[in-house]
Amino acid sequence: KAGVTQTPRYLIKTRGQQVTLSCSPISGHRSVSWYQQTPGQGLQFLFEYFSETQRNKGNFPGRFSGRQFSNSRSEMNVSTLELGDSALYLCASSSGTGVETQYFGPGTRLLVL
Amino acid sequence: TQLLEQSPQFLSIQEGENLTVYCNSSSVFSSLQWYRQEPGEGPVLLVTVVTGGEVKKLKRLTFQFGDARKDSSLHITAAQPGDTGLYLCAGAPHGQNFVFGPGTRLSVLP
Repeated sequence: KAGVTQTPRYLIKTRGQQVTLSCSPISGHRSVSWYQQTPGQGLQFLFEYFSETQRNKGNFPGRFSGRQFSNSRSEMNVSTLELGDSALYLCASSSGTGVETQYFGPGTRLLVL
Repeated sequence: TQLLEQSPQFLSIQEGENLTVYCNSSSVFSSLQWYRQEPGEGPVLLVTVVTGGEVKKLKRLTFQFGDARKDSSLHITAAQPGDTGLYLCAGAPHGQNFVFGPGTRLSVLP
């Protein structure tokens, strides 16, 4: 069974631009969660999507948004990029029910200049 | 303030030594998970502990969940260079989102 895939793996943007990251979950998984990982703050929860609906949301500004498609693939968008948005963005997929095991993708490393 | 605290933050040891890392919280967790993350990769799940007092063994790794379900430990016996990585504990306190601890960065020198 293929694992979680994320594209692109690396991205360089400048302040003020916007970016879209993509995540394809494990086949059959309906839940996709997004996390931001930085050296200073560690892994922080952004939001979770389940069956095309946002089910949970972390404490990030509205510049961070996401969506999920009918095939469970998810995208995350960050608008008006700031230097502090430089981070590793990870997505994790799970079945979406019960005590969860989350399977992580390799992440997208975003650098904002 | 972190919901999950981990200690030590950094650990550098020689191959063959034993070590224990800790994960603590003032909140009760229905379950806690331990992950290992290597550079350039996403975290990989090692174990999930669910029952207070539970002990799980995974080859040279022993995981324990505290009786009150507020803390957990990971003990590695005879560490090897392949154990090098960032060890993260994570869980969802009742009614709250999934959270990760800051991690313990382990380096095992040959």
